[in-house]
Amino acid sequence: NAGVMQNPRHLVRRRGQEARLRCSPMKGHSHVYWYRQLPEEGLKFMVYLQKENIIDESGMPKERFSAEFPKEGPSILRIQQVVRGDSAAYFCASSPQRGWRETQYFGPGTRLLVL
Amino acid sequence: KNEVEQSPQNLTAQEGEFITINCSYSVGISALHWLQQHPGGGIVSLFMLSSGKKKHGRLIATINIQEKHSSLHITASHPRDSAVYICAVKSPTSTQGGSEKLVFGKGTKLTVNP
Repeated sequence: NAGVMQNPRHLVRRRGQEARLRCSPMKGHSHVYWYRQLPEEGLKFMVYLQKENIIDESGMPKERFSAEFPKEGPSILRIQQVVRGDSAAYFCASSPQRGWRETQYFGPGTRLLVL
Repeated sequence: KNEVEQSPQNLTAQEGEFITINCSYSVGISALHWLQQHPGGGIVSLFMLSSGKKKHGRLIATINIQEKHSSLHITASHPRDSAVYICAVKSPTSTQGGSEKLVFGKGTKLTVNP
């Protein structure tokens, strides 16, 4: 059973370009979470999605960032018009269902570097 | 003040030593997680606790809900235990539509020397 997969693992973008980060949850998992880890800082929650629904986007910057988790295919975190401050590691996690008993399984992360 | 505080920030130990990493939190929680992040960056979930104590191999995690405190212990530490250990808490979901988000401490960087 493959774990959470993220691609690409490393992404380099120039300022103003778009970045698309993909997350394929573990098989049977329908809940996806995105977290960001800025250099020398802790992980911060960005968004929580279920299939075709955004449940909590309270950690998403108001502009340029969006996320989706379609019925088919991976979850996508999209950053438009990237700036240097977007350089960070972006982690995706998944769980089979909601609830406090559920462990979140983390992907390997995507390291975004904005030049 | 962060909702989740970890101590120490950095910890260096000799192989074989007993390690303790502490986590204090200021919010009500439904569960507390201990995570391990290796130098390569990948994150592994070690434990999820809502009460008491859990043990897995050389790792032991405890939580005291009344004192809002948790500890992660490593017995007979080994250089391969070198990693960043992260405490994260999940707040109770008050409604069906409530969030499942985790709130993280800044991590404790552990280095175990041979």
